[in-house]
Amino acid sequence: GAVVSQHPSWVICKSGTSVKIECRSLDFQATTMFWYRQFPKQSLMLMATSNEGSKATYEQGVEKDKFLINHASLTLSTLTVTSAHPEDSSFYICSARDPGTSNIHEQFFGPGTRLTVL
Amino acid sequence: GEDVEQSLFLSVREGDSSVINCTYTDSSSTYLYWYKQEPGAGLQLLTYIFSNMDMKQDQRLTVLLNKKDKHLSLRIADTQTGDSAIYFCAHATDSWGKLQFGAGTQVVVTP
Repeated sequence: GAVVSQHPSWVICKSGTSVKIECRSLDFQATTMFWYRQFPKQSLMLMATSNEGSKATYEQGVEKDKFLINHASLTLSTLTVTSAHPEDSSFYICSARDPGTSNIHEQFFGPGTRLTVL
Repeated sequence: GEDVEQSLFLSVREGDSSVINCTYTDSSSTYLYWYKQEPGAGLQLLTYIFSNMDMKQDQRLTVLLNKKDKHLSLRIADTQTGDSAIYFCAHATDSWGKLQFGAGTQVVVTP
C-alpha cells in the first residue's frame, strides 16, 4: 500500500518557539493531505485539509495563523506550529489520499509526530 | 456527546473472537471504516463498508452495519496476538472523504 512518512517522530520545544512537521507521500502523488490532532484516549480531530498549490481549508475552531500549512509539492505538506505553548502539546498525524486507489476516500496515514512544549 | 463512540478497552483470549462496537450519530454517513493502529505506526485501513450494505466479510474480519440503530461492529475471528492494537471506527459523510473518528478501542490479546 501507499506509504506516508512524518518527520520528526517526536519533538520537544520551548514555549514561544515554532515547530515544523513534515508529511511526505513516498510512493505516490498526493493532491490532498489532511492534518489531525490526537489527545490521549481521544479521537483524531481533523485540523485542516491541505491541497497542493492552494490554501489549506481549516476546520472550525482551528487557528490558521497558529497552525500554518504549506502544500508546495505533490509529495510534501508541512504543518508549522507557531509560537507554541504547552496546550499545543499533542500527537499530530497526517494522512494523504492516493488518487490511484479504487477507493477514492481511502486515506493513508503517517506514523504521527509527538510534540511536547515545555 | 461524541459524534462517534467506542468502548475504550477489550481483552480477548488468543483463538477467541473479538467484537468491537461503534455507534455514530450522523445518519448521512456514507462510508464507514475500521482502522488499526499499532504502536509507532500510522493508522492502517482494515476494511470499509458502504451505508447501503448490512455486512461485509474479508477473511477473518466481518463488519456488520445496523443503519437504523447507527451501529457498526467489527468481528475478528480466531484472534491472534498480532491483532493487539487500537482499532478506530470512522465515517465519512461527504464526497471529499473528511473522516470523523471514534476515540479508539484498545484490544489486548492474551495467550
